[in-house]
Amino acid sequence: AQKITQTQPGMFVQEKEAVTLDCTYDTSDPSYGLFWYKQPSSGEMIFLIYQGSYDQQNATEGRYSLNFQKARKSANLVISASQLGDSAMYFCAMRDSGAGSYQLTFGKGTKLSVIP
Amino acid sequence: DSGVTQTPKHLITATGQRVTLRCSPRSGDLSVYWYQQSLDQGLQFLIQYYNGEERAKGNILERFSAQQFPDLHSELNLSSLELGDSALYFCASSTHLGTGGYNEQFFGPGTRLTVL
Repeated sequence: AQKITQTQPGMFVQEKEAVTLDCTYDTSDPSYGLFWYKQPSSGEMIFLIYQGSYDQQNATEGRYSLNFQKARKSANLVISASQLGDSAMYFCAMRDSGAGSYQLTFGKGTKLSVIP
Repeated sequence: DSGVTQTPKHLITATGQRVTLRCSPRSGDLSVYWYQQSLDQGLQFLIQYYNGEERAKGNILERFSAQQFPDLHSELNLSSLELGDSALYFCASSTHLGTGGYNEQFFGPGTRLTVL
């Protein structure tokens, strides 16, 4: 069963506007972590933000914030004041401690295009 | 720059051949993870090593193998290559095994493998 679901294959946003990228997850482990990575066209994976399952507050990193709704099992990424350089693929990922390993399970990604 | 290095950056080879991808983790990181990113399968976890020992296996084919050496660099060996093995192969490293908490994974720039 798919553990991470990103339902938006592609999104467009006007420069300087805010945009929300959706992510829902499924796990039975009470301890887990949620990550967002950015992959520009050059291919590298850039870490953006992390949310732990026990964190009381939503994570923020500069223009990035994570809207964590634990009961709904959602971890949406909010990018404020979009810039042209934000155009990229965005991946939501989950790390749980099932089977004693800590690998990341990724969603299929959302391609964000910022329009000038 | 994540501090994780991967060589080569690009690799073009023929079906049936064998290749070796190399990864050097960030200084001090003991865990190395290998991921495969292909158009049809997305980003998939292959295998994890921690301080020289295999810790977890994901969707890794039997034709693929990996090891982590005493200096903590890792190699991913792909043999009897098929067209479908064409993908971007990422190595990621983290500080420790991951007993909870942050344990962010830092990704290398990837090796793009093309099998002709």
